Amino acid sequence: AQKVTQAQTEISVVEKEDVTLDCVYETRDTTYYLFWYKQPPSGELVFLIRRNSFDEQNEISGRYSWNFQKSTSSFNFTITASQVVDSAVYFCALSGRRVSYDKVIFGPGTSLSVIP
Amino acid sequence: SAVISQKPSRDICQRGTSLTIQCQVDSQVTMMFWYRQQPGQSLTLIATANQGSEATYESGFVIDKFPISRPNLTFSTLTVSNMSPEDSSIYLCSVVVTGGRTEAFFGQGTRLTVV
Repeated sequence: AQKVTQAQTEISVVEKEDVTLDCVYETRDTTYYLFWYKQPPSGELVFLIRRNSFDEQNEISGRYSWNFQKSTSSFNFTITASQVVDSAVYFCALSGRRVSYDKVIFGPGTSLSVIP
Repeated sequence: SAVISQKPSRDICQRGTSLTIQCQVDSQVTMMFWYRQQPGQSLTLIATANQGSEATYESGFVIDKFPISRPNLTFSTLTVSNMSPEDSSIYLCSVVVTGGRTEAFFGQGTRLTVV
């Protein structure tokens, strides 16, 4: 079965602290894709990253970085020097052959609060 | 990229009635997806809509309750039928655009409250 687990339901940090959001996935596919989305209080879903299973290089985009560890089935997301605007719910998601590469299965989400 | 327009953005409906949500994409896409996000919850896929064929529903969702139309490659509708308060959710449509940077795009959602 395909499953995404985000063990942290809620996280609070003080502004400028670094924070890591955990994501663990389960799949029997050898080719699959992992995503992170941000959902701010306004409700829209903002695409952050898509990573395929063959690319284990970590990625950095500004204050955001992602650590993909295939050996532990994890795809963690780190925000460096957090800001109040980072307050949102963050979803990790997965797609793969068994459900179709276009159908995205979402984790339960982690609600991040950045306190000024 | 893709721009998705979803209407209505919100509605308050009486129980027992039906609401049709429209999703318009600014480019042609093969598949469109409908998700439900219940209050405080994650997104759950309702169904996948292909143009010219019946939608494929996920476990727990049935066509009688959530009929879907997909008349062309840029448009789809989702109807929430015979509504009850448990149907109060945000409903989102989504498309996947493949290319140099493949990503999934979402509409702004329809916030439905059933009273």
